[in-house]
Amino acid sequence: DIVMTQTPLSSPVTLGQPASISCRSSQSLVHSDGNTYLSWLQQRPGQPPRLLIYKISNRFSGVPDRFSGSGAGTDFTLKISRVEAEDVGVYYCMQATQFPLTFGGGTKVEIK
Amino acid sequence: EVQLVQSGAEVKKPGESLKISCKGSGYSFTSYWIGWVRQMPGKGLEWMGIIYPGDSDTRYSPSFQGQVTISADKSISTAYLQWSSLKASDTAMYYCSLNDYWGQGTLVTVSS
Repeated sequence: DIVMTQTPLSSPVTLGQPASISCRSSQSLVHSDGNTYLSWLQQRPGQPPRLLIYKISNRFSGVPDRFSGSGAGTDFTLKISRVEAEDVGVYYCMQATQFPLTFGGGTKVEIK
Repeated sequence: EVQLVQSGAEVKKPGESLKISCKGSGYSFTSYWIGWVRQMPGKGLEWMGIIYPGDSDTRYSPSFQGQVTISADKSISTAYLQWSSLKASDTAMYYCSLNDYWGQGTLVTVSS
């Protein structure tokens, strides 16, 4: 199985300041079709997960442009340019390149 | 509008059987893989398995193989997750997911 490792575990951020989350996979996420199936999900308290970013850097419908994804191969990053109160929650990376799909352990974003 | 609507919360005793459901609408149900994800209380996301309703091709995470059964009825656009004998450790929130879209979750509580 591909192991997804996220850092940090927790990220206290001041409103309006940036936040960054890293995700590393135990092997390359480049699929044989040339795509890299790395997604980022947001889970607000008491809510189901919600897709933010797919294939490394593509924002899903309705996702604010303060969210951006980057990376390649085995190293990926989610950035929030200016954290807002509604961004509080847990963020997960997920790989769908290979079965079984696997998630990172999650990063909790909270306001200082 | 794509929607995944899950069945309601369940309270069961150890050893009982259970089948929860996830009804898809707003897209071609037979053309997309639909998966199940477990979230134990206060914990992260765990991918359980996935089914392609078009031909019922099913894949399981090794961690859940033999513990649950995933199925789908394409005539009513509904996917299922079932247990033959529940344990207390099955207490969790269960989500169905198209990766892009997620159900609202079904809380399963197993307690004597």
